[in-house]
Amino acid sequence: DGGITQSPKYLFRKEGQNVTLSCEQNLNHDAMYWYRQDPGQGLRLIYYSQIVNDFQKGDIAEGYSVSREKKESFPLTVTSAQKNPTAFYLCASSPRRDEQYFGPGTRLTVT
Amino acid sequence: GNSVTQMEGPVTLSEEAFLTINCTYTATGYPSLFWYVQYPGEGLQLLLKATKADDKGSNKGFEATYRKETTSFHLEKGSVQVSDSAVYFCALSDPSNQFYFGTGTSLTVIP
Repeated sequence: DGGITQSPKYLFRKEGQNVTLSCEQNLNHDAMYWYRQDPGQGLRLIYYSQIVNDFQKGDIAEGYSVSREKKESFPLTVTSAQKNPTAFYLCASSPRRDEQYFGPGTRLTVT
Repeated sequence: GNSVTQMEGPVTLSEEAFLTINCTYTATGYPSLFWYVQYPGEGLQLLLKATKADDKGSNKGFEATYRKETTSFHLEKGSVQVSDSAVYFCALSDPSNQFYFGTGTSLTVIP
């Protein structure tokens, strides 16, 4: 089946630790995106990548990092510099000029 | 710049009532327009889309028409069901494959 997978579904970390969220797609889409969603809020763009080995900062990139070494993979690292990392993280991919396809999300809790 | 403004929620309706969720946009050029639905704890799913003026997107009884003259893409459904309870997001994509989301409208349908 084609789609986007995010793992794990739930993730718990202690404050001060870096954590990497996985996002994989087998849709052969060029573009991939990371969003953050807080309770009752809309989506805020963290990073996006239109092509392999290239990515751009979104609206709230501080405290996050990404890589795009393969077309199908776009992992997000939440670093200890992110002041308030507890949130629901959504990954998406898109072919050119078409809708975004979303993964099921990862809920990160940092205590 | 590009932006999407959608009706504030939450919205509560009785089963079989008529639904309208307003969405207006600001964009240069000719964006594509989308409605997404999000169920609790899940990612976003595409509900419908329209790619040019006067197009009507429809799916599962939901409809929205791309109105360039009023820069609107209002979501409608003639008779809602309890299973339609979710958060609905209006979105647009521009020619550079950038996506812009509204803040979401929470819908609760009561039996």
